[in-house]
Amino acid sequence: DIQMTQSPSSLSASVGDRVTITCRASQSISSFLNWYQQKPGKAPKLLIFAASSLQRGVPLRFTGSGSGTDFTLTISSLQPEDFATYYCQQSHSSHYNFGQGTKLEIK
Amino acid sequence: EVQLVESGGGLVQPGGSLRLSCAASGFIFTSYWMSWVRQAPGKGLEWVANIKQDGSEKYYVDSVKGRFTISRDNAKNSLYLQMNSLRADDTAVYYCARDRRGVLGRWFDPWGQGTLVTVSS
Repeated sequence: DIQMTQSPSSLSASVGDRVTITCRASQSISSFLNWYQQKPGKAPKLLIFAASSLQRGVPLRFTGSGSGTDFTLTISSLQPEDFATYYCQQSHSSHYNFGQGTKLEIK
Repeated sequence: EVQLVESGGGLVQPGGSLRLSCAASGFIFTSYWMSWVRQAPGKGLEWVANIKQDGSEKYYVDSVKGRFTISRDNAKNSLYLQMNSLRADDTAVYYCARDRRGVLGRWFDPWGQGTLVTVSS
């Protein structure tokens, strides 16, 4: 199985900050990497698919990049509604493993 | 509006069974793979199973193979998860998700609101 490791596990930041979350795959997954946002008590929401493609309706401050084994999710200027948990997910193999999540909290 | 609504969760004893349902609307159900994804309390996301449009292909995470069965009824626009021999570590919110596929990969969008399964005596 392909293992997905996110860092950091948690992050404190302020409104207006630029933040970056990293996701590393245990083997190359090309660009088969997606990012989701989950708020407490809610279902996950797709933000980015295929490493860098922004899902319709997602604000432009969200950017995804990377290929192979190393990927990043960047939020250019944090807004109050961005405080949530973020998950990466690979779709290279038939078992769609997720990263363990990164909780983004208000400083 | 694309919508997925799960039902069927609840409290069940270890070794028991439960059947989850997911009602889909707002899109052509027969055009999409569908998946179940679960989340244990306070934990991360775990893909559980998926099924092809016509039901001819099904895949499972190793931990549920032989115990869970995914199925669909295209006439009713519905997805199901039959869960047998339930264990305490199956306790989770179970989400139904549309499994989108293309040359760029596969991703889940949208997700239902989830249904809680609690396995406890």
